[in-house]
Amino acid sequence: GQSLEQPSEVTAVEGAIVQINCTYQTSGFYGLSWYQQHDGGAPTFLSYNALDGLEETGRFSSFLSRSDSYGYLLLQELQMKDSASYFCATVGGNQGGKLIFGQGTELSVKP
Amino acid sequence: ETGVTQSPTHLIKTRGQQVTLRCSSQSGHNTVSWYQQALGQGPQFIFQYYREEENGRGNFPPRFSGLQFPNYSSELNVNALELDDSALYLCASSRLGQGIGNEQFFGPGTRLTVL
Repeated sequence: GQSLEQPSEVTAVEGAIVQINCTYQTSGFYGLSWYQQHDGGAPTFLSYNALDGLEETGRFSSFLSRSDSYGYLLLQELQMKDSASYFCATVGGNQGGKLIFGQGTELSVKP
Repeated sequence: ETGVTQSPTHLIKTRGQQVTLRCSSQSGHNTVSWYQQALGQGPQFIFQYYREEENGRGNFPPRFSGLQFPNYSSELNVNALELDDSALYLCASSRLGQGIGNEQFFGPGTRLTVL
């Protein structure tokens, strides 16, 4: 089967740095994506890693290690508006790029 | 550029009924995917349509069916509703084979409650 594991909850304070880990077991792995979702609204794309290493996009960075089937999302200079659910998702190229999501990590940013 | 829209936003049905949810894809996108998201869970892939043909299906029974129209709008139909079908239904559009990691653009979803 295919599965992704990530922590259910993370709490941090404004201005801090937080790391959300994701381990996966999938077949036909093409890459790891991260999505943000506020209060059951539309998930929005944050980043994507196809190759090992770090991808940086502003305050957000994402890392992938294919040999360890592991990735993480790093959020720096946390702001209150970053409070949301964060999902890792594998990209399956054998079926038109369907996304297989993890259970999600609820991030709470405290003042 | 118009984003992905879905209708209705909320819907209440009773067990055994049928429901049709609608999605309008983002301009220029030729692929639409549907996901079911139960409360506190990640979205689960239902199926994807590309150029009006089903292009992959997740682990959902045949009572979940879909259509994609020439203007790339889409419908999700669910027959014989069950209580467990209560969820947020998300539509996502993309251009197959393009974008970063097949980035998908999600609509705001339809919240379906089955009583």
